Amino acid sequence: KQEVTQIPAALSVPEGENLVLNCSFTDSAIYNLQWFRQDPGKGLTSLLLIQSSQREQTSGRLNASLDKSSGRSTLYIAASQPGDSATYLCAVGGTDKLIFGTGTRLQVFP
Amino acid sequence: NAGVTQTPKFQVLKTGQSMTLQCAQDMNHNSMYWYRQDPGMGLRLIYYSASEGTTDKGEVPNGYNVSRLNKREFSLRLESAAPSQTSVYFCASSFRGSTEAFFGQGTRLTVV
Repeated sequence: KQEVTQIPAALSVPEGENLVLNCSFTDSAIYNLQWFRQDPGKGLTSLLLIQSSQREQTSGRLNASLDKSSGRSTLYIAASQPGDSATYLCAVGGTDKLIFGTGTRLQVFP
Repeated sequence: NAGVTQTPKFQVLKTGQSMTLQCAQDMNHNSMYWYRQDPGMGLRLIYYSASEGTTDKGEVPNGYNVSRLNKREFSLRLESAAPSQTSVYFCASSFRGSTEAFFGQGTRLTVV
């Protein structure tokens, strides 16, 4: 059974810092890994999708990496801003479903 | 594009009442999913449908039923609501399980 873990559960940083969010999974037989952002009381917004054959994906200040063999992914946020404050969730894609981690709640203060 | 649309957005039920949560997508996706989100537990898969006419259980299916009415619509039914089903419910869709998933805005359900 696939299990997905995210560390840390919560993170508070000053504006401008570069930061790394971690996601680990137990079964390396995945098709993709997806990072989402969730604002309080809102739905999930897809940030980055990494296919199993890829090592990383970039979008603006976000960079996500994937190491299937070690069961790890990281989301790197450069030059963090207060607007980045949200919960970040990773999800591992199998043949027909996504399994989610419990998320990292990020607060970026001015 | 509307993407994934869920109705209703909020609902309060009494224990034992029944209701159906509706979900529709306009992206011609094959796969659709229902998740519930509880504090500290992330999103847990209730049921999914890999294609029109098929449904499968996820991690937490007890107390729920689903119907894949057609390719666009996937409904979740609570036959006899219980306080343990108080949660935020999300519907999602993807072209297939291994592709990018898109989520609705959620239904906040309270069972008293």
